[in-house]
Amino acid sequence: SAVISQKPSRDICQRGTSLTIQCQVDSQVTMMFWYRQQPGQSLTLIATANQGSEATYESGFVIDKFPISRPNLTFSTLTVSNMSPEDSSIYLCSAHLWEADTQYFGPGTRLTVL
Amino acid sequence: EDKVVQSPLSLVVHEGDTVTLNCSYEVTNFRSLLWYKQEKKAPTFLFMLTSSGIEKKSGRLSSILDKKELFSILNITATQTGDSAVYLCAANLYSGAGSYQLTFGKGTKLSVIP
Repeated sequence: SAVISQKPSRDICQRGTSLTIQCQVDSQVTMMFWYRQQPGQSLTLIATANQGSEATYESGFVIDKFPISRPNLTFSTLTVSNMSPEDSSIYLCSAHLWEADTQYFGPGTRLTVL
Repeated sequence: EDKVVQSPLSLVVHEGDTVTLNCSYEVTNFRSLLWYKQEKKAPTFLFMLTSSGIEKKSGRLSSILDKKELFSILNITATQTGDSAVYLCAANLYSGAGSYQLTFGKGTKLSVIP
């Protein structure tokens, strides 16, 4: 398995501001992913973050709203830009481990936008 | 459109009961089926299933995949209050160019009462 950490674990933000969430993996991984989980809902994939290339966004998510960085094989950031109360969610990063052929998740960031 | 459907959506049982959680999928480029347990924020990995008819077992939990009928079940025997959680099923799909992504079901919320 992998140990994945996220910062911050939670935050309360004002409308119109931006928040950057960091995700650190304890081993090198090719693929990292960012998910959103709105209250009472399942996980929705925002984008796949690939090192050395631009992130691939899923339908309904755009780079201007959720810019992603992937500077190396162990780290990624997701920024939630120009936040509104509808962005209040848990944001989760995950990493795909080839040897286990599965995804492991970070502890999540609980975001509340006022 | 790729779809993963879990049933029931919620379940309340007494300690010691046995439960069966269901997951059906209709997806393209299927690779494997994953089960996760989500108690607070982070989903924790339970099983990955790639072959039909081969049961995976871990303690009181077991799971099996039927690739012909496109479903999987997760069994929990002798349930305990610590089993209370949301159980997520996800189809691991090949998304092209060496990439994989998960499509999640809505989850089954299991509540075990003493």
